[in-house]
Amino acid sequence: DVKVTQSSRYLVKRTGEKVFLECVQDMDHENMFWYRQDPGLGLRLIYFSYDVKMKEKGDIPEGYSVSREKKERFSLILESASTNQTSMYLCASRATSGWDTQYFGPGTRLTVL
Amino acid sequence: QKEVEQNSGPLSVPEGAIASLNCTYSDRGSQSFFWYRQYSGKSPELIMSIYSNGDKEDGRFTAQLNKASQYVSLLIRDSQPSDSATYLCALLKAAGNKLTFGGGTRVLVKP
Repeated sequence: DVKVTQSSRYLVKRTGEKVFLECVQDMDHENMFWYRQDPGLGLRLIYFSYDVKMKEKGDIPEGYSVSREKKERFSLILESASTNQTSMYLCASRATSGWDTQYFGPGTRLTVL
Repeated sequence: QKEVEQNSGPLSVPEGAIASLNCTYSDRGSQSFFWYRQYSGKSPELIMSIYSNGDKEDGRFTAQLNKASQYVSLLIRDSQPSDSATYLCALLKAAGNKLTFGGGTRVLVKP
């Protein structure tokens, strides 16, 4: 059974804090993604990675960075959290063979106070 | 204009009826189209993909694609209360390496 896990389901942080969101997949997928989801806006891509140590900006990378040191793990970093980064964060992974193989993690609901 | 547009709903459907969801897009070169279902508080899961014009059926779900008119639709036949969820339309642009999502349509199936 395919699995994408995220380190926390709920997280509350203060403005200015550095925040780490971790994502791990056990499917040996090459590609990993970080999205945020806000009401009415759908999913928006923050960053993605197609290989270890490789990263590419998505549609809304400002205020975020990522790290992929191992194939199974993709981290999203908020260098200095702000209230407008309060959102649901979803990690996903997929095999290079096709988009039909994309699976999402359970999500992390981040609240920045 | 948004790249992928969906009516946010809610679309209220009696149990046993057909739910019809529409999605329009602006990039004429878009190649691949996907429908995801997302239950409240859960993550999206892929239910259909469609790549060429016409209909594609999978159980009670039918995806319809019309590239000339730039729309893709999802029909849910014999709707069940368990189909109550938000349905997200997504597409892959030509030579694209990322999915672009619509805002989703919330569907409510009433017994």
